[in-house]
Amino acid sequence: EAGVAQSPRYKIIEKRQSVAFWCNPISGHATLYWYQQILGQGPKLLIQFQNNGVVDDSQLPKDRFSAERLKGVDSTLKIQPAKLEDSAVYLCASSEQGNTIYFGEGSWLTVV
Amino acid sequence: GQQVMQIPQYQHVQEGEDFTTYCNSSTTLSNIQWYKQRPGGHPVFLIQLVKSGEVKKQKRLTFQFGEAKKNSSLHITATQTTDVGTYFCAGSGAGSYQLTFGKGTKLSVIP
Repeated sequence: EAGVAQSPRYKIIEKRQSVAFWCNPISGHATLYWYQQILGQGPKLLIQFQNNGVVDDSQLPKDRFSAERLKGVDSTLKIQPAKLEDSAVYLCASSEQGNTIYFGEGSWLTVV
Repeated sequence: GQQVMQIPQYQHVQEGEDFTTYCNSSTTLSNIQWYKQRPGGHPVFLIQLVKSGEVKKQKRLTFQFGEAKKNSSLHITATQTTDVGTYFCAGSGAGSYQLTFGKGTKLSVIP
């Protein structure tokens, strides 16, 4: 069974530029998550989708971050404009409702 | 909001020694999950505990969920170099699927 796919794996951008990350969850998983993991910390939930609807985006900095899951499968997370403190690993994860969360390998963002 | 705290932040052990990490929540949890993240890798699910006082074992790993469902522990017996990584607990509050992760315990094993 294929895992959660993410791209790009690595991205370096200058502050105030924009970046987009893509995620393809495990087939059949209705729930999709985007987590931000800053070095030395645990993952922090940014947004959770159930199919193509948002379940929780309370910790998403909406002035610069946006995410969508238009057809209830793939998802895109965008940051515009980026700040230095956005340097982190952006982890996409998916699950069948209420069950184990499976993480992708992450997209490593460095903002310089 | 819900907070999950883990101690210690770092642990260095000699290979063969035991290791324990502790997790405490500010609120009662409906369940707690444990994840392992190898250096440079992504979190990988280890186990989920749901019942008060539950104890589960996976080979050398023993997981406990407290009676009040506000704390948990992971104990590794006779550590090996393959146990190196950061261990995270993550809890969900009642009626919520949102997982709140602790900051993790980074385990180093000295051969």
